[in-house]
Amino acid sequence: DAMVIQNPRYQVTQFGKPVTLSCSQTLNHNVMYWYQQKSSQAPKLLFHYYDKDFNNEADTPDNFQSRRPNTSFCFLDIRSPGLGDAAMYLCATSRGMSGVSEKNYNEQFFGPGTRLTVL
Amino acid sequence: AQTVTQSQPEMSVQEAETVTLSCTYDTSESDYYLFWYKQPPSRQMILVIRQEAYKQQNATENRFSVNFQKAAKSFSLKISDSQLGDAAMYFCAYRSSYTGTASKLTFGTGTRLQVTL
Repeated sequence: DAMVIQNPRYQVTQFGKPVTLSCSQTLNHNVMYWYQQKSSQAPKLLFHYYDKDFNNEADTPDNFQSRRPNTSFCFLDIRSPGLGDAAMYLCATSRGMSGVSEKNYNEQFFGPGTRLTVL
Repeated sequence: AQTVTQSQPEMSVQEAETVTLSCTYDTSESDYYLFWYKQPPSRQMILVIRQEAYKQQNATENRFSVNFQKAAKSFSLKISDSQLGDAAMYFCAYRSSYTGTASKLTFGTGTRLQVTL
C-alpha cells in the first residue's frame, strides 16, 4: 500500500548530540512537511518542501534543518538537541497545487511519527 | 494569522451513543477548508472529514458529520453510534485557500475521546 513511513519510530539522543529523523513516501507527492508535536499540544509546522524548494516557517529555530535528496525521502536534522526538543515529529505529504483544480483541497497524508527523547 | 481552538481536552462517550466535539477558529479569509483528523494511539493521523467554506451543506462521512457555522466560525464534529475504534485524539484543522502551492494546516490542540462499554 502507498504510504508515508518514518524511521525510527522511537529515537533517544543525548543533549547536544546531532540526530537525524527519516521520512519516506510511496505516494509520489510533490510536497513533504515536518511537524513538531509536543505533549498535549497541536502539531506545529516546522517547514515544508515543494519538490526541491525549501520553505521554512518564520519561527522555526535554526537548530532544525531539513534535506530532501529526492522525491521519496526527506530528513529532519536537529543539530544540537535540547531538552525542549523532545517531542513527536510528524512527516506528511500532499500533492502540489500546480496543475490541480482550484478547489482541490490536497489532503495531507501523515506518517506514524518519530518520538524523540533527549537525555 | 489563523487560530484554531478546541476547548474540550477530553471527552467520553458510551459505545453506540453520540458525541459532539467542538472547534472554533478565527480567520479574516472568506474561502478556506476545515478538517477533522483522528490520531489513534501510536498510529498515524488520518483524515476523518473535510468541509469547504464555500459550501453551505454540512459534510457527512458515514457515522461522522459536521455542523459548520461560518458566521459563528464554529466547526463541530458529531460521531454517531460510537465504536471502540473511535477512541483517539481528534484534531480540528484549518487550511487557507491561498497558501500557494502547499497545503499548510493550522491545528487545534486536540480532544482526546474515550469510548466506554
